Amino acid sequence: NAGVTQTPKFQVLKTGQSMTLQCAQDMNHEYMSWYRQDPGMGLRLIHYSVGAGITDQGEVPNGYNVSRSTTEDFPLRLLSAAPSQTSVYFCASSYSRGDTNTIYFGEGSWLTVV
Amino acid sequence: GDSVTQMEGPVTLSEEAFLTINCTYTATGYPSLFWYVQYPGEGLQLLLKATKADDKGSNKGFEATYRKETTSFHLEKGSVQVSDSAVYFCALSSGNNRLAFGKGNQVVVIP
Repeated sequence: NAGVTQTPKFQVLKTGQSMTLQCAQDMNHEYMSWYRQDPGMGLRLIHYSVGAGITDQGEVPNGYNVSRSTTEDFPLRLLSAAPSQTSVYFCASSYSRGDTNTIYFGEGSWLTVV
Repeated sequence: GDSVTQMEGPVTLSEEAFLTINCTYTATGYPSLFWYVQYPGEGLQLLLKATKADDKGSNKGFEATYRKETTSFHLEKGSVQVSDSAVYFCALSSGNNRLAFGKGNQVVVIP
């Protein structure tokens, strides 16, 4: 059971380049989300999805696109990278059963935009 | 909206000292509360959680009690080790499978 898998783990981009951070989960979770982590800011929600074909914006969505064509995959696209998008990105997935929910995180993707 | 507040600043303490990291929250309804830990260069790991008032989450010697009356979920450990050096995040979820995080606290344990 691989859990939540993110790729790549490290990436350096030039300003203006585009790229996609991949996220896949093998737990058949309905919910998936992307967070970014910045020093002194904690983690902030970028986009989330409650199921295949359904996505919505989080707290800091500007400059990012997502899609959810399958239950397993939730890629995050940077359309035109900016230095302000230098961050650590975490993908998460979860399910809800009754009054509890358990949220699992990937290992993170360290992105530097120069 | 939902929010989590953690005490300001890093925490530096000696091995075997008592650790407390304060966490308070604002939320509608009855959120689930979590503590996550991030070791240097690694991702987030769930440390413990509590899903209703007065629940106590515990793991690896760490404990936190869900206090609805004070809207708090303080993390404690009686005797820290150097290996506990990490960043600790308090978080909540209001049943929507999305997390609101505090800003995190760097904990440094000195031998």
